[in-house]
Amino acid sequence: DAGVIQSPRHEVTEMGQEVTLRCKPISGHDYLFWYRQTMMRGLELLIYFNNNVPIDDSGMPEDRFSAKMPNASFSTLKIQPSEPRDSAVYFCASSHSGSAGNTIYFGEGSWLTVV
Amino acid sequence: AQSVTQLDSQVPVFEEAPVELRCNYSSSVSVYLFWYVQYPNQGLQLLLKYLSGSTLVKGINGFEAEFNKSQTSFHLRKPSVHISDTAEYFCAVSDTGTASKLTFGTGTRLQVTL
Repeated sequence: DAGVIQSPRHEVTEMGQEVTLRCKPISGHDYLFWYRQTMMRGLELLIYFNNNVPIDDSGMPEDRFSAKMPNASFSTLKIQPSEPRDSAVYFCASSHSGSAGNTIYFGEGSWLTVV
Repeated sequence: AQSVTQLDSQVPVFEEAPVELRCNYSSSVSVYLFWYVQYPNQGLQLLLKYLSGSTLVKGINGFEAEFNKSQTSFHLRKPSVHISDTAEYFCAVSDTGTASKLTFGTGTRLQVTL
């Protein structure tokens, strides 16, 4: 299995620009998660989907953040406009509801720097 | 809601020495417990998980953890560490009802030296 695939792996952008992060979950998984990792706040769950439907977006920090899942094999996390405090590693993860304990599998992360 | 406390932000240890990374959780409902490892510049990888049954759980790379319900703990142990175990270790919890939503601790940096 290819695992969770994220792109881009690294992104450097200027403040005010739009940033789009992409994720391809593991085939057959019906849950998809977006996490953000920073030194100050650790790992935070931003939003998660079940069967392409957003279930809980309470972790999305502001209206500047939005996430979509148009189909079972693709999701995006968009930041518009970006700010320096958005600099972080953004992880996409997926799981299958049929597996015991619903083990979550993480991608390698998208390292975002906003200057 | 659940919460996880990892009591040590950093744990330095010499190679071949034993190590214990501590994790305590708080929840009003039944939980599943997990340990993940993050190597530098990589994503998180599952080490082991406790769902039910035996309280001693064995994982990959020689790690094991013990679930203690009365102390609400899930400490991670390894009898003899290697340099390659240097990484960040995260304890996580989910309730058995919404089993897919993990709450992570702040992580413990394990630094193994010669």
